[in-house]
Amino acid sequence: KAGVTQTPRYLIKTRGQQVTLSCSPISGHRSVSWYQQTPGQGLQFLFEYFSETQRNKGNFPGRFSGRQFSNSRSEMNVSTLELGDSALYLCASSPGRNVEQFFGPGTRLTVL
Amino acid sequence: GENVEQHPSTLSVQEGDSAVIKCTYSDSASNYFPWYKQELGKRPQLIIDIRSNVGEKKDQRIAVTLNKTAKHFSLHITETQPEDSAVYFCAASDGYGQNFVFGPGTRLSVLP
Repeated sequence: KAGVTQTPRYLIKTRGQQVTLSCSPISGHRSVSWYQQTPGQGLQFLFEYFSETQRNKGNFPGRFSGRQFSNSRSEMNVSTLELGDSALYLCASSPGRNVEQFFGPGTRLTVL
Repeated sequence: GENVEQHPSTLSVQEGDSAVIKCTYSDSASNYFPWYKQELGKRPQLIIDIRSNVGEKKDQRIAVTLNKTAKHFSLHITETQPEDSAVYFCAASDGYGQNFVFGPGTRLSVLP
């Protein structure tokens, strides 16, 4: 099976702009989670989608949102970008609960 | 909510020695504890996991132990090799969704 893919891999934006990141899970995986990874904060959970419904949400402001489509592909949107949003955004898919999550390569977002 | 602490933050060992990384969690409802390895510039990958009904699990040179009473779990790597050099993350999941909470990571360096 093909692994988790994310697009784009790199992105440069300026403060105030918005951005949309995309994640395609492994075929058959219905759960998609998003994480923000920064050198100082490690892996921070953003949200998790299962069958087009947001099932869990981390402690991030409302500027961070997401959705999942019927084919399990997921998008994450960040509005009104801030310098502190610069990070590696990872998505992970899994076939169910409490089983291995398979990570994508990530999208590295730089906010200038 | 769940909180996961991880120690040490950095660890250097000589090739062939053992390495131990310890994590503690706060939510007694957590019942799934994976460990991920992230090499430089790559995505996190699962190396071993353990569920709360098991006290120890081993896979070749890697083992994980879980003490539910004390709410801590540890990763043990024996006969370390240079390719073990990476950042290791522990995580805990509450079993009701995919709300994994990750530890801040341990940077392991295996010196030749």
